[in-house]
Amino acid sequence: SAVISQKPSRDICQRGTSLTIQCQVDSQVTMMFWYRQQPGQSLTLIATANQGSEATYESGFVIDKFPISRPNLTFSTLTVSNMSPEDSSIYLCSVALAGTRNEQFFGPGTRLTVL
Amino acid sequence: AQKVTQAQTEISVVEKEDVTLDCVYETRDTTYYLFWYKQPPSGELVFLIRRNSFDEQNEISGRYSWNFQKSTSSFNFTITASQVVDSAVYFCALSEQYNFNKFYFGSGTKLNVKP
Repeated sequence: SAVISQKPSRDICQRGTSLTIQCQVDSQVTMMFWYRQQPGQSLTLIATANQGSEATYESGFVIDKFPISRPNLTFSTLTVSNMSPEDSSIYLCSVALAGTRNEQFFGPGTRLTVL
Repeated sequence: AQKVTQAQTEISVVEKEDVTLDCVYETRDTTYYLFWYKQPPSGELVFLIRRNSFDEQNEISGRYSWNFQKSTSSFNFTITASQVVDSAVYFCALSEQYNFNKFYFGSGTKLNVKP
């Protein structure tokens, strides 16, 4: 597996502001992903973070709202832009390691509350 | 259509009871992968098991066992002699051959194990 850290672990933000969440992995990984888990709900894939190119977004998620960066094989950021209370969720980073047969390992999550 | 269904929203058992968490999936692919994850109150998702569609052999790991039945499209998870530490939300997930990094998560089953 891999050791995955996320910053911040939680935050309370005001409507209209933006928050950038960082995901750091202790080893080089092939794939990195960002998920959203709304309160009491399941996980929904936001996008695949591609190293050196634009992220691949799932239906219902757009780059203007959730810009993603992945400058190298161990680090990615997700920004939640122009936040509203509906963005209150847990945001999770996950990684797939080469040779692990597409098992995904998840970070601890960032618990975001928007007032 | 929902690709992964976990019909049990919440289950409560008393410690030492056995409990089975149901997971029913839907896919047209002949090659696919099934997963179980545990999400304790801390929020981090813990990988439990991965199973590919060609391996129908049931698996046991300590108190955990998984029953994969292609005929009924089910991948059920049983905890034997449950413990309070098993209290968590358990998610079943599916990924398909054409995009095996995209996970479809079920809605989760919250397990409460009471002392």
